[in-house]
Amino acid sequence: QQQVKQSPQSLIVQKGGISIINCAYENTAFDYFPWYQQFPGKGPALLIAIRPDVSEKKEGRFTISFNKSAKQFSLHIMDSQPGDSATYFCAAFAGGTSYGKLTFGQGTILTVHP
Amino acid sequence: NAGVMQNPRHLVRRRGQEARLRCSPMKGHSHVYWYRQLPEEGLKFMVYLQKENIIDESGMPKERFSAEFPKEGPSILRIQQVVRGDSAAYFCASSPSLASTDTQYFGPGTRLTVL
Repeated sequence: QQQVKQSPQSLIVQKGGISIINCAYENTAFDYFPWYQQFPGKGPALLIAIRPDVSEKKEGRFTISFNKSAKQFSLHIMDSQPGDSATYFCAAFAGGTSYGKLTFGQGTILTVHP
Repeated sequence: NAGVMQNPRHLVRRRGQEARLRCSPMKGHSHVYWYRQLPEEGLKFMVYLQKENIIDESGMPKERFSAEFPKEGPSILRIQQVVRGDSAAYFCASSPSLASTDTQYFGPGTRLTVL
């Protein structure tokens, strides 16, 4: 129940295209869903996050769509740029007994071709 | 405004040696988390600490691994008698307060290689 499943494992997109990464979860206690961006040799950096009381959150070219009934959420990167090439991780957090613990998806390696 | 700092950035140990990884949280942050990332995998939670207290160590192997966050100084993740399977990137994260432990800021990681 603690797993977060992420797909696809890798994604290749042309410059200007839309990148879409999907995540699914089982644990209904999760109440915070951040996305992290990681460049090679660096630590994950918080990109955007959503709570289940909203269905969509947009920050610049990055949008999270959240479907509470399906227990799925996704990251959309509009007008993808070569500088967006990185590994993206979805994560989930539950208050209560899982306090303090982020559960991560397996990661998606995004490559944006110029 | 320095972020989360970790050192060393790279650490090479031979099997059976000890590894000590250090983490200094962001200024004003009193909550520290350690995660491990195996090659081509996501991050896995290991332990959550506040000053002088271990809050949740459910992700940490029961043997050879220990963590502390003393009143003064950095948080330390200690791995005794390292084995090849311990080779991984170890990331530390911090958050400012009890009300915001979901928002965690990560350091650059320590890449441990066990020969």
